[in-house]
Amino acid sequence: ETGVTQTPRHLVMGMTNKKSLKCEQHLGHNAMYWYKQSAKKPLELMFVYSLEERVENNSVPSRFSPECPNSSHLFLHLHTLQPEDSALYLCASSQDLGTGINYGYTFGSGTRLTVV
Amino acid sequence: DQQVKQNSPSLSVQEGRISILNCDYTNSMFDYFLWYKKYPAEGPTFLISISSIKDKNEDGRFTVFLNKSAKHLSLHIVPSQPGDSAVYFCAASGGGGSQGNLIFGKGTKLSVKP
Repeated sequence: ETGVTQTPRHLVMGMTNKKSLKCEQHLGHNAMYWYKQSAKKPLELMFVYSLEERVENNSVPSRFSPECPNSSHLFLHLHTLQPEDSALYLCASSQDLGTGINYGYTFGSGTRLTVV
Repeated sequence: DQQVKQNSPSLSVQEGRISILNCDYTNSMFDYFLWYKKYPAEGPTFLISISSIKDKNEDGRFTVFLNKSAKHLSLHIVPSQPGDSAVYFCAASGGGGSQGNLIFGKGTKLSVKP
């Protein structure tokens, strides 16, 4: 158990579906992140939250909608996705933004998403 | 264009020998470099980092070397163990980009043979 829990582990959804990915951390961290890992590509930052405020949105299409209701939970709401959105979606947390970029994040195990 | 490059997608090493994983970067403003290790079906785990003001950082069997003039860093694992078999990601931060953003390479899959 890494301290960052992601559910579900696997998700298959149609292009017209709406689904949500959930991330939970009980590490007392103040910063949380969504990353995307597509096949044969590097991990790409999608969203950054610090103290429940979104501080970064890396030109992500609006069909991805993040939500951070409190410092322990982070959601990624999905709607009308495309097959090319199929990827591993990783959640991560760090004590603060600064400690994250200098000393690393704690990642969850990811949600393997397949869009059909 | 990729700012962090891991040009070797895979590496195979005999148990007990040294593993050397390489990483090149293009942005001279990066100020921290990190290595992550990832097992199948798990998220990446932080392994070791180095500040740009240093050229070496050591933690047990893992040593990271930074050559700023060549914009190159490497991770040395010695002695290599079968449990080290995983995908290793190089990452960099502080390149003038967004807050909290780590720029990752594509990873190198290390296989340590018994």
